Amino acid sequence: GQQVMQIPQYQHVQEGEDFTTYCNSSTTLSNIQWYKQRPGGHPVFLIQLVKSGEVKKQKRLTFQFGEAKKNSSLHITATQTTDVGTYFCAGRLGGTSYGKLTFGQGTILTVHP
Amino acid sequence: SQTIHQWPATLVQPVGSPLSLECTVEGTSNPNLYWYRQAAGRGLQLLFYSVGIGQISSEVPQNLSASRPQDRQFILSSKKLLLSDSGFYLCAWRGRYRGRTEQFFGPGTRLTVL
Repeated sequence: GQQVMQIPQYQHVQEGEDFTTYCNSSTTLSNIQWYKQRPGGHPVFLIQLVKSGEVKKQKRLTFQFGEAKKNSSLHITATQTTDVGTYFCAGRLGGTSYGKLTFGQGTILTVHP
Repeated sequence: SQTIHQWPATLVQPVGSPLSLECTVEGTSNPNLYWYRQAAGRGLQLLFYSVGIGQISSEVPQNLSASRPQDRQFILSSKKLLLSDSGFYLCAWRGRYRGRTEQFFGPGTRLTVL
């Protein structure tokens, strides 16, 4: 079945350092979504990428979708303590998938002040 | 606006006891609904999804079952809980917001099986 691998599993950074998490799928994706889960909370949607090679930015966050639509990355510039949480990528297959998403294992980000 | 509710928020149950977790959605009709489980420090595993009343698809074999008795109600159940059923259970619905399609998650239920 479809698998979405996400690395690293954990990342500890000092406030102000950059952070990147990577996502790879075993199959071509219709789109990829990114979610953030704060400690003790539930996942919250960040962004969706649809087009091959797409790049989107949200303030200090930059999201990329690979040319083959099999990989993606999330980069945070100059991390802040408010960036703490788990970041998940979630891939969707094309066709009749009923909107099912396959989530990566997530990257737990810790930011030291 | 749409809202998704889950209860209870936390639950501690003995091994072998039954389980019933409820999820309801407001402000939308005929949503696709999903149950996920998240083990401590791990990712989200899709357990069940439903595209309509009475329609349930199971993603992984397990000790749990799901039902959708009403359009906006999704229930997760078990007849006899196992220790391995402990986790954070999240209900989600799929909808459109500001031109994009995303999954909206409920607040979750933290289940501890002792």
